[in-house]
Amino acid sequence: EAQVTQNPRYLITVTGKKLTVTCSQNMNHEYMSWYRQDPGLGLRQIYYSMNVEVTDKGDVPEGYKVSRKEKRNFPLILESPSPNQTSLYFCASGASSSTDTQYFGPGTRLTVL
Amino acid sequence: QKEVEQDPGPLSVPEGAIVSLNCTYSNSAFQYFMWYRQYSRKGPELLMYTYSSGNKEDGRFTAQVDKSSKYISLFIRDSQPSDSATYLCAMSASGTYKYIFGTGTRLKVLA
Repeated sequence: EAQVTQNPRYLITVTGKKLTVTCSQNMNHEYMSWYRQDPGLGLRQIYYSMNVEVTDKGDVPEGYKVSRKEKRNFPLILESPSPNQTSLYFCASGASSSTDTQYFGPGTRLTVL
Repeated sequence: QKEVEQDPGPLSVPEGAIVSLNCTYSNSAFQYFMWYRQYSRKGPELLMYTYSSGNKEDGRFTAQVDKSSKYISLFIRDSQPSDSATYLCAMSASGTYKYIFGTGTRLKVLA
C-alpha cells in the first residue's frame, strides 16, 4: 500500500531534550516536506526537499533541522525543543513536479513541556 | 496581512445543499491552486488542483480560480454528511516547491 508513515504518532517531551520525528514514504517520490499545523494558523511549511541531499527552508524553519540521506526518509530534528514547538506535525511526499499531488502522513502530535 | 485568507467557519448546512468555500490571496505570483480535505485526526488529502484561472469539475466538486480578483472557490453539490471535514486551500508559485495553506474552513453537513 502506497503510504507516508510517521513515528512516533504522539510524543510528550521536556524543553531542551533533542528529538527526531521520522518520516518514510514507499512511493519513490523525489519531493518530501514537513509542515506544522496550529489552530488559527493552519498548515505552515517548515522544510522541504526536492531530492536526496537537496533541502530548503519553508516559512517556519527556525528551531528545526532536516536531512535527506535516502530518497525514502526525511527525518525532522528538534535539537532543543521549546514549548512553542508544541504542535501537530505532518510529513508529505510527492513526485518531482511542484504541481503533483502531495500525500500526507497521519501526523505526529508533539507536546513540549 | 496573511498571504492567504480563509474563513475558519464552522459552516453548517443541511444534507443536499450546495456548499461554497472560498479563499483570497495577495501574492500575484501564485499559479497553482489546490483544495485539500482533512478529516478529524487525519492528514490532508488532495481534492482538486487547478492551474492559473478557470474552472475544474470532478464529480460533485467544482474548483474556480479568479486571478484578477485573487479569489478561489470550491463548490460542493448535493453535500453529504460524509463531506463533513475541514477544507484547506493551498497555493504555490510556478517553479517553487513552497506551498502556502489557508487556515481551513470547518464544514458540517447535517443529515
